[in-house]
Amino acid sequence: DAKTTQPTSMDCAEGRAANLPCNHSTISGNEYVYWYRQIHSQGPQYIIHGLKNNETNEMASLIITEDRKSSTLILPHATLRDTAVYYCIVRVRRWDDKIIFGKGTRLHILP
Amino acid sequence: ETGVTQSPTHLIKTRGQQVTLRCSSQSGHNTVSWYQQALGQGPQFIFQYYREEENGRGNFPPRFSGLQFPNYSSELNVNALELDDSALYLCASSLEAAGGVETQYFGPGTRLLVL
Repeated sequence: DAKTTQPTSMDCAEGRAANLPCNHSTISGNEYVYWYRQIHSQGPQYIIHGLKNNETNEMASLIITEDRKSSTLILPHATLRDTAVYYCIVRVRRWDDKIIFGKGTRLHILP
Repeated sequence: ETGVTQSPTHLIKTRGQQVTLRCSSQSGHNTVSWYQQALGQGPQFIFQYYREEENGRGNFPPRFSGLQFPNYSSELNVNALELDDSALYLCASSLEAAGGVETQYFGPGTRLLVL
């Protein structure tokens, strides 16, 4: 079973920041938080990952709480192309560890 | 673009038939994982191949089998197709190496319809 809990769906206005929450209260010390997204009928796209520090890349920012029991993915200026299902995943940072996907959050960007 | 390619993009089969799906991993990646995604669900792990050997398997029956070739490309074979095998099949590649890239990068998927 997935180790994360996410809202089923969210709406965000185009141009605004999209903040996607994720709860992972049973995360272990060696587990990272990964985010992927899946645009309709395409393969999942890697976005970002982190252990305990906040992370930022060209796609998004990842904010992890100090107790590591929850995190937020931030898309700073959402566009219509960001409409997708976003998956929050907890896993060890090993090349051979399988990914356990939950149902994710369906993000709708509204024009 | 991740550099992971899959073929074919779409496929229609009938119940009881066999199917082979193909995946070419990102350049330099030596590990391939396969996932099945039913409509409206998240992807489910089928199995993983590393150095041409199966390296972990999810809760799928033996009629799901695979191969990995010396160039790290991979095949997923499904025998005796059932209607419930209709799904999007995804492969993901990653690299095993000291300090290597652990992130799995996914291909576009093959959509299989079993009638």
